[in-house]
Parts: sequence; C-alpha cells; structure tokens
Amino acid sequence: NAGVMQNPRHLVRRRGQEARLRCSPMKGHSHVYWYRQLPEEGLKFMVYLQKENIIDESGMPKERFSAEFPKEGPSILRIQQVVRGDSAAYFCASSASGGTPYEQYFGPGTRLTVT
Amino acid sequence: QKEVEQNSGPLSVPEGAIASLNCTYSDRGSQSFFWYRQYSGKSPELIMSIYSNGDKEDGRFTAQLNKASQYVSLLIRDSQPSDSATYLCAVNWDNYGQNFVFGPGTRLSVLP
Repeated sequence: NAGVMQNPRHLVRRRGQEARLRCSPMKGHSHVYWYRQLPEEGLKFMVYLQKENIIDESGMPKERFSAEFPKEGPSILRIQQVVRGDSAAYFCASSASGGTPYEQYFGPGTRLTVT
Repeated sequence: QKEVEQNSGPLSVPEGAIASLNCTYSDRGSQSFFWYRQYSGKSPELIMSIYSNGDKEDGRFTAQLNKASQYVSLLIRDSQPSDSATYLCAVNWDNYGQNFVFGPGTRLSVLP
C-alpha cells in the first residue's frame, strides 16, 4: 500500500515564476492537507481539501496561492509569482474519511527554493 | 486562538533513560491528540494517536492524556540515539478532520 506521494521532491524557481506542487494521497484516503515549514520552524497549516472541495483555507495566503483536489488526479498547490520568502518545505498529508481519530500521514515533502 | 505548546528543548537524555515530552493545549473541547517524530530534513512520521483519558502504550512509547488538565505527554522508554529527533504534538479540536494544530516541537537528543 503506497504511502503519500509528492512531486517534485526539489523544485527551484526564479522570482516571478510559478510553482506547482503535487500530492497523491494514500490509497483509500480522501482528505488532503497542505503544510509549510520554514527552516528550524514548526509546521504551519495552509489548506484542507476533500475531493473537489476546499474545506478550510484559513492558513493559505489570499494572494498568489491556490489549491485544488480534483475528482481525478493529485491535489495541486500552486504558487504564482514566487518570491524568496516562499522558499520552504511544503508537506502534504492525507487521512481517511470517517471515524476518529483523523490520523494524518505525511508525504516526503517538496523543497522549494526561489532564487 | 487555539494553541498547542510544547517544551522548547532541546531535551537531552542518556541512552537507556526515559524521555518525557510534554504538550499542553488551550481548548478544553479538543478531541484527538497525536505525536509525530520528525528527523532533520525529513517529513513528520506518526507515532501514536490518543483520544481517551489515560495511557496508551505501543512498544517503547507511551502516550498519556489528561483532558481535565489539558495535557498530553509522550514517554519513550529505553531511549536510543536513533530516537534523537524533533517530536511534534498535534491536536484536533473536533472530529471532522478539520481544525488541526501542530505544536512547535521539542528537539530530543539521546546521548550515547
């Protein structure tokens, strides 16, 4: 049973370019969470999605950032016009629907570097 | 503002000792609690989840929950150098998959 998959693992973008981060949840999971982690800092929640729905995007900057989880295919976190401050590790986690607790399982992360 | 607090660390223990990691949370109605381990440069790995008062044991790990005191802890028995990592406490305020908050983490160093 494959775990959560993220790609690319490393992404380098120049200022002003777009970054697209992909996340495939664990088999059977329909909930996806995106987190950002700056070096030596904690995990910061960005957005929580279910298939075709954004449930909570309270942690995501209102400009330049967007997320989707289509009916088919991976969840995508999109960052437009990247700036140096966007350099961070972006982690995706998934959980199953129903029951408690909602255990989240993390992917390996995408390390974004903005030059 | 719902908050999760952890000992800032770093916490250093000798090999073979018991490491005790603590976490407090601000919302008395919180439902589920999780401990993750994160090695440097890696992603968080789920160690345990707990949602009933009392102790839950899994191998060398024991999670303890006291909802009245809004306190959850993780004990690591017979600590090994391979346990050296940052330990993250996470709290779920409800049972709907929403409203997760991670604490800042405690860095543990197990000295050989």
